Amino acid sequence: AQKVTQAQTEISVVEKEDVTLDCVYETRDTTYYLFWYKQPPSGELVFLIRRNSFDEQNEISGRYSWNFQKSTSSFNFTITASQVVDSAVYFCALSKGTNAGKSTFGDGTTLTVKP
Amino acid sequence: DVKVTQSSRYLVKRTGEKVFLECVQDMDHENMFWYRQDPGLGLRLIYFSYDVKMKEKGDIPEGYSVSREKKERFSLILESASTNQTSMYLCASSLIAEITGELFFGEGSRLTVL
Repeated sequence: AQKVTQAQTEISVVEKEDVTLDCVYETRDTTYYLFWYKQPPSGELVFLIRRNSFDEQNEISGRYSWNFQKSTSSFNFTITASQVVDSAVYFCALSKGTNAGKSTFGDGTTLTVKP
Repeated sequence: DVKVTQSSRYLVKRTGEKVFLECVQDMDHENMFWYRQDPGLGLRLIYFSYDVKMKEKGDIPEGYSVSREKKERFSLILESASTNQTSMYLCASSLIAEITGELFFGEGSRLTVL
């Protein structure tokens, strides 16, 4: 069975602080995919990144970066110099790869960035 | 841009009523999904469809059914709504060709069953 754990239920930071959202996963599959989604107050989840199990290279996109470590089964997400617009619920998800829609989602981390 | 549109943002229904939640996508995606989102439980898959008239149960199908008569439209049906079905319902779609493709979500339908 697959499992995704986002241990941080809520995080609150002040604007310009760096913040890391943790994601730990469990799977017996050797091929799998990891995702991060952002759900702003408007409600619509937005895809941020996809990573496959064979690519442990970290990725940076602007103020966002992701650290994938198979050794610790973690796929953490860091926002550098956070902004108020980063306030949202962030979900980590794990897919076997045959159908991304059958992903197992974590419970989400609510990030609040205060001005 | 892909657009996934859910017909109602907010609904209030009474116990025992039949409820229809409609979802339409405009990018010719083969896959469509219905999830419910509850605090502390993340997103849970109710049903999905990979083609017209095709459907498969997700993790929590009990109390729900679905209909996909046209490729762009995927409906979630609560035959007899109950208070424990009060939730946020999210529709999503994806391309089947890109089997690991990301999901595109609608804005959600918040259902309250009294």
